[in-house]
Amino acid sequence: DVVMTQSPLSLPVTLGQPASISCRSSQSLVYSDGTTYLNWFQQRPGQSPRRLIYKVSKRDSGVPDRFSGSGSGTDFTLKISRVEAEDFGVYYCMQGTHWPWTFGQGTKVEIK
Amino acid sequence: QITLRESGPTLVKPTQTLTLTCTFSGFSLTTSGVGVGWIRQPPGKALEWLALIYWDDDDRYSPSLGSRLTITKDTSKNQVVLTMTNMDPVDTATYYCVHSKMDVWGTGTTVTVSS
Repeated sequence: DVVMTQSPLSLPVTLGQPASISCRSSQSLVYSDGTTYLNWFQQRPGQSPRRLIYKVSKRDSGVPDRFSGSGSGTDFTLKISRVEAEDFGVYYCMQGTHWPWTFGQGTKVEIK
Repeated sequence: QITLRESGPTLVKPTQTLTLTCTFSGFSLTTSGVGVGWIRQPPGKALEWLALIYWDDDDRYSPSLGSRLTITKDTSKNQVVLTMTNMDPVDTATYYCVHSKMDVWGTGTTVTVSS
């Protein structure tokens, strides 16, 4: 299985400040069609995960533009330009290139 | 609007078989490229893919659980069913049904395994 390693696992942030989460895969996530199937999800307490980013950097409909995704190959990043109160929760990266699709351990973004 | 809803028992005993049903609307599992899958999340832990079935009956299973899992679809009822045999307390989790594009999830159903 492809191992997805996120860091940090806990991220205390101040409202209005930027935040960044790293996700590294144990092998390249470039599929045979040239696409990199790397997603980012947000999960608030008691809720289902919500996809924010797909194919590394494409934002889902309704996702604020303060969220951005970047990276390539095995190294990816989710950035929040200015953290707002509604952004607190757990963030997961997930690869959809190699079956079984796998998630990272999750990064808990919390108030400092 | 695409929706998915999980249903099934909230409590099962060790060694029993779990059967979960995902009832969906807003899309068809006869459309090329479309699939429905199951993901679980033990309390306080990360997400884990279990199984996925596509419109053409291509099915995939988590290698670590594969022999215990069966995923089937009923396109006439817009349902996908997951069965998991030989349940154990470590299988206690919230089980989610999800569209294969990963952009729509069900609300999840919590299953506790206990005698």
